[in-house]
Amino acid sequence: SQQGEEDPQALSIQEGENATMNCSYKTSINNLQWYRQNSGRGLVHLILIRSNEREKHSGRLRVTLDTSKKSSSLLITASRAADTASYFCATADEQGAQKLVFGQGTRLTINP
Amino acid sequence: DAGITQSPRYKITETGRQVTLMCHQTWSHSYMFWYRQDLGHGLRLIYYSAAADITDKGEVPDGYVVSRSKTENFPLTLESATRSQTSVYFCASSEFGSDYSPLHFGNGTRLTVT
Repeated sequence: SQQGEEDPQALSIQEGENATMNCSYKTSINNLQWYRQNSGRGLVHLILIRSNEREKHSGRLRVTLDTSKKSSSLLITASRAADTASYFCATADEQGAQKLVFGQGTRLTINP
Repeated sequence: DAGITQSPRYKITETGRQVTLMCHQTWSHSYMFWYRQDLGHGLRLIYYSAAADITDKGEVPDGYVVSRSKTENFPLTLESATRSQTSVYFCASSEFGSDYSPLHFGNGTRLTVT
């Protein structure tokens, strides 16, 4: 089944720096989504980018999508301690739009 | 409050017992999902439902049963729990389907099978 894979698996930066996480997937997609998960909590939706979009912004978040390379990136600018979390990309399985498949996630730690 | 709630938050059960995890959403979303999250495997879809009385298998359905008699509820039953089903279980809902609209997740049920 299709699966997004995030890179790096873990990232540790200083507060105020920018954080970039990457996601690769295997087959054609309609949309790609990014989610955040704080420790012990459920996932929270951040952004949905459609296959015909190349870039999307939401506050301090910037997502890019390159369908030719089957990859996406999530940039968090001016990071804060509260951004410490795991970040996941998700795409639908080609066999079914309801079978959203998540990557393993990037564990982001923001150091004060 | 509007949202999606899961119960119980924590559950310890013995091998072979039946256990039901509850999920309730207040948005009247058509779609609901059950995922399990394990180290090394990420989130894996167990079952999903497109509407009341319509359910379908995900990636790892074996050993699980679901039902959806009402739009707002989507319980997950482990008919005979095994240690391999020790995991954190997340329920989620979506208005238009998971590829086209955001999933809203509950805070999970941490299940331990001894």
